[in-house]
Amino acid sequence: DVKVTQSSRYLVKRTGEKVFLECVQDMDHENMFWYRQDPGLGLRLIYFSYDVKMKEKGDIPEGYSVSREKKERFSLILESASTNQTSMYLCASSLYLGAYGYTFGSGTRLTVV
Amino acid sequence: AQTVTQSQPEMSVQEAETVTLSCTYDTSESDYYLFWYKQPPSRQMILVIRQEAYKQQNATENRFSVNFQKAAKSFSLKISDSQLGDAAMYFCAYRSAEGAQKLVFGQGTRLTINP
Repeated sequence: DVKVTQSSRYLVKRTGEKVFLECVQDMDHENMFWYRQDPGLGLRLIYFSYDVKMKEKGDIPEGYSVSREKKERFSLILESASTNQTSMYLCASSLYLGAYGYTFGSGTRLTVV
Repeated sequence: AQTVTQSQPEMSVQEAETVTLSCTYDTSESDYYLFWYKQPPSRQMILVIRQEAYKQQNATENRFSVNFQKAAKSFSLKISDSQLGDAAMYFCAYRSAEGAQKLVFGQGTRLTINP
C-alpha cells in the first residue's frame, strides 16, 4: 500500500524553537507539498517541490522554509516557531503529470506555546 | 489565481437520506481537474471522486456522484443513502492541467450523519 508518512502525529514546541516536520513518500512521486489546515480556512499551500533540490513558494511561505535533498523526503522547517504557527500540517505527494490528486500523510498537529 | 468556495460550513443529514454539498470555483483556464476529498476524524485525507473538465459526463463512484456545471463553475457532491461512516470534513479542490499542478482547496464542509 502506497504511503506518505509524517514523522510526528502531535508535537508541542516552545516559541522561538527551530522545528522540523518530516515527510517521506514511497511512491517515487516527483511532486511534494506542505499545507497547513486551519478551521474555516481549509488547506493553504506553504511550499511545494517538483524535483530534488527544487522548491517553490506557495500562498503562505512566510516563517517557513523547506528542504528536499532526496526524492522521497520533504522537510518543512519553522526557523523560529511562533504561536500563530500552531496548526495542523499536512504533507502530500503526487505524480508530475496526470489527472490524479494527491496522496496525503495523516498530519502533524503542532502546538507552539 | 484560482479560488474555490464552499459556502456551507456545516451540513447534517439523516442516515439513509441524500445530501448535496456545494462547491464553486473561479478560473480562467479551460482544462483542469476537480476533486472531492474526505477527512474523517482520523485526519487521513481520502480521495472521494474526481472530474476532468473536458469530460461532459458527471463522475460517479458508488454512492457518490457529482453535478459538474462548467459554465456556472459549479461542482457539487451528492451522497446517496448516507451512512454513519460518511461523517467527515469534505473538501472541494481544483488542480490546473498545466503548470505546477498544485491543489487549491475550499474551506471545507463538516458533514454530520444523524442515526
